[in-house]
Amino acid sequence: NAGVTQTPKFQVLKTGQSMTLQCAQDMNHNSMYWYRQDPGMGLRLIYYSASEGTTDKGEVPNGYNVSRLNKREFSLRLESAAPSQTSVYFCASDIRDRSYNEQFFGPGTRLTVL
Amino acid sequence: EDKVVQSPLSLVVHEGDTVTLNCSYEVTNFRSLLWYKQEKKAPTFLFMLTSSGIEKKSGRLSSILDKKELFSILNITATQTGDSAVYLCARGGSNYKLTFGKGTLLTVNP
Repeated sequence: NAGVTQTPKFQVLKTGQSMTLQCAQDMNHNSMYWYRQDPGMGLRLIYYSASEGTTDKGEVPNGYNVSRLNKREFSLRLESAAPSQTSVYFCASDIRDRSYNEQFFGPGTRLTVL
Repeated sequence: EDKVVQSPLSLVVHEGDTVTLNCSYEVTNFRSLLWYKQEKKAPTFLFMLTSSGIEKKSGRLSSILDKKELFSILNITATQTGDSAVYLCARGGSNYKLTFGKGTLLTVNP
């Protein structure tokens, strides 16, 4: 049981380049989330997917797109990277079958945009 | 806007000390209050507190939820250097999303 996995672990981009961050979970969870974490800012929600086939904006969605490919996979795309998107990105998932929502996190992707 | 405020933002103690970390939250559509520990990697789950479970304990760590005053505390007794981490508090609402505080950086010196 790998839990939540993310690829890549590290990435350096130039301004204007695009890339996709991949996330997969093997816990049969219904909901998946993308966060970014900046120094002193805690975790901020970018997008989430309550269930397969649905996606919704979180607190900081500008500059990002997401795809819930199937129940296991949820990808985050940066179409035209900007230095302000330099951050650590975490994917998370939870079962969302009741009110109580303990989320499980992947190991993170450290992205630098030059 | 859902707000979660943690204090202090950072704390330095010596091994063996007891620490108390604070988290206040807004009540709108409150469902749960979660604590996570984050070392230099992904956050790991510690406790979840809800209306039906306002006290949790695991070893040297314990947490309570005060629903009237809208805060939670995380206590760590007999701290060890391995307790050094960022401790994150998160509020769960009716839309299932978690709103995180900025975290408390705890440093435990030998």
